[in-house]
Amino acid sequence: KAGVTQTPRYLIKTRGQQVTLSCSPISGHRSVSWYQQTPGQGLQFLFEYFSETQRNKGNFPGRFSGRQFSNSRSEMNVSTLELGDSALYLCASRAPNSPLHFGNGTRLTVT
Amino acid sequence: GENVEQHPSTLSVQEGDSAVIKCTYSDSASNYFPWYKQELGKRPQLIIDIRSNVGEKKDQRIAVTLNKTAKHFSLHITETQPEDSAVYFCGVGSRGGADGLTFGKGTHLIIQP
Repeated sequence: KAGVTQTPRYLIKTRGQQVTLSCSPISGHRSVSWYQQTPGQGLQFLFEYFSETQRNKGNFPGRFSGRQFSNSRSEMNVSTLELGDSALYLCASRAPNSPLHFGNGTRLTVT
Repeated sequence: GENVEQHPSTLSVQEGDSAVIKCTYSDSASNYFPWYKQELGKRPQLIIDIRSNVGEKKDQRIAVTLNKTAKHFSLHITETQPEDSAVYFCGVGSRGGADGLTFGKGTHLIIQP
């Protein structure tokens, strides 16, 4: 089975721009979560989607949004980018009552 | 919300010795506690997890112990090997992790040859 796939692997954006990240979960997994990883704050939960519905949300501003499609693929969008948004964004999928499986992440650099 | 503290932030041990990493949490409703290992430049990978109805779980050289009363759990690695060098994160969640996980800030484990 293919793992969680995230694209692109690297992104460089300028302050004020917006960005969209993509995630394809493991086949059969309907739950997709997003996490932000930074050296200072570690892994922080952004949100979780299941069957195209956002079920849970972390403590991030409204500039961070996401969606899930009928095939369980998910996208995350960050608008009006700030320097502090530079991070590794990790997507994870899971089956019911099973652990999270992470993708390799998208490294976002905001200049 | 949930607050997770992880200690130590860096741990250096001699190859063959044991390593112990500890996490404490604040929400007594939390019932799912996974440990992830992240090697440099790679994705976090689950190494072991435990649910609140179990006090201890082992998988070869790795074990996790949970003290629900004190709200802490620990990762134990015995007979450490060079490939154990990585950053380890503890996670805490409720409803088996379905509501999202709160992670500790990580422990950089260094195995000295």
